[in-house]
Amino acid sequence: GAGVSQSPRYKVAKRGQDVALRCDPISGHVSLFWYQQALGQGPEFLTYFQNEAQLDKSGLPSDRFFAERPEGSVSTLKIQRTQQEDSAVYLCASSWDRETQGADTQYFGPGTRLTVL
Amino acid sequence: GQNIDQPTEMTATEGAIVQINCTYQTSGFNGLFWYQQHAGEAPTFLSYNVLDGLEEKGRFSSFLSRSKGYSYLLLKELQMKDSASYLCAAMDSNYQLIWGAGTKLIIKP
Repeated sequence: GAGVSQSPRYKVAKRGQDVALRCDPISGHVSLFWYQQALGQGPEFLTYFQNEAQLDKSGLPSDRFFAERPEGSVSTLKIQRTQQEDSAVYLCASSWDRETQGADTQYFGPGTRLTVL
Repeated sequence: GQNIDQPTEMTATEGAIVQINCTYQTSGFNGLFWYQQHAGEAPTFLSYNVLDGLEEKGRFSSFLSRSKGYSYLLLKELQMKDSASYLCAAMDSNYQLIWGAGTKLIIKP
């Protein structure tokens, strides 16, 4: 596809339920990022992949959050035992190569709005 | 620590010019990005500056002063569709983007 896609666009979960959020980056993009965005705030970094390697997961808020990108393309963000404070928009972004100036512009997907009841 | 500051909200009139300022403090610096985000939508890339000076792109221009840790986004000939949040993000030495909270721009007819 032409851009980054994410699914589902909206997810409602009951507290304690596990959820899985999918991201399809732009074809050929090496770098993939997950962000969490609260209403009225900028994106907060969660984790970063270079191909299939998860090089930075310092932003994951707890061990309930897990991300993978097993074949270096599609990525899944999984949240176990969801809590109300997990309610947010989860954005995925990709770029050609994070560490090359000029190739590091991140292109965002439409996001998944997660609501935990 | 690392920090990005930008105004929370600005109001401008259709057809006018508005300047949105951003100051940043990061560990190292690999460039400054501006993104536009309409309500309920993903951020979309507007500009990237890594050298001092002004970059012009149509109605939008972006300026950077590395010595002052300062950038601005200039929007000319404002249109109603420019009503959105404008996010400033600085890339640190680890190539991680540090994001501001965004400036909500309200355009009035």
